[in-house]
Amino acid sequence: DTGVSQNPRHKITKRGQNVTFRCDPISEHNRLYWYRQTLGQGPEFLTYFQNEAQLEKSRLLSDRFSAERPKGSFSTLEIQRTEQGDSAMYLCASSLLGGTVIRGDTQYFGPGTRLTVL
Amino acid sequence: GENVEQHPSTLSVQEGDSAVIKCTYSDSASNYFPWYKQELGKRPQLIIDIRSNVGEKKDQRIAVTLNKTAKHFSLHITETQPEDSAVYFCAARYSGGSNYKLTFGKGTLLTVNP
Repeated sequence: DTGVSQNPRHKITKRGQNVTFRCDPISEHNRLYWYRQTLGQGPEFLTYFQNEAQLEKSRLLSDRFSAERPKGSFSTLEIQRTEQGDSAMYLCASSLLGGTVIRGDTQYFGPGTRLTVL
Repeated sequence: GENVEQHPSTLSVQEGDSAVIKCTYSDSASNYFPWYKQELGKRPQLIIDIRSNVGEKKDQRIAVTLNKTAKHFSLHITETQPEDSAVYFCAARYSGGSNYKLTFGKGTLLTVNP
């Protein structure tokens, strides 16, 4: 499978625990985005990386959230001291910016990680 | 920032009928408008997109129209089939800066009745 993959697909945790999600983008894609989707809503932007650099963070991303993309390939999203309001689907998307690829800036989404905070 | 409104929130049609979903955006600098289809429990998948230098784009039974003056764009699905049932999201993106983030509408649940 050459698409975007995310792990785990589901995570149930207790309030106050830390959780970490992983996203593996399409090979050679240099841009990686994290979005959050709650029931009945469209995805909302959280943060994005170009290669290993985190270039923007949404105001939705509180201090309890941290994201990394250490080698410019996979990315992790960590939520510390989870709260019930963190329950959502966390989606990752990747794209290729630049070069001669037609439609290279199209964002391709992963299947998401569904987080439930009890 | 950009704001995208999407209507209707639910749409039910008979198989073979057409379906139209409409979106408006607020930032006149937005220049790329994709549509994603999301089936229950699955990832959003791009079905069609349009850039601001064209007014209409078609791909088989799916078409998208863009009115830059009015800042609205629409998805048209003809000859609907039960497998078209899903949630459809429109999005807008400003491509002039360095962040290509998408701003999504709230989605339209399309049900195609056999």
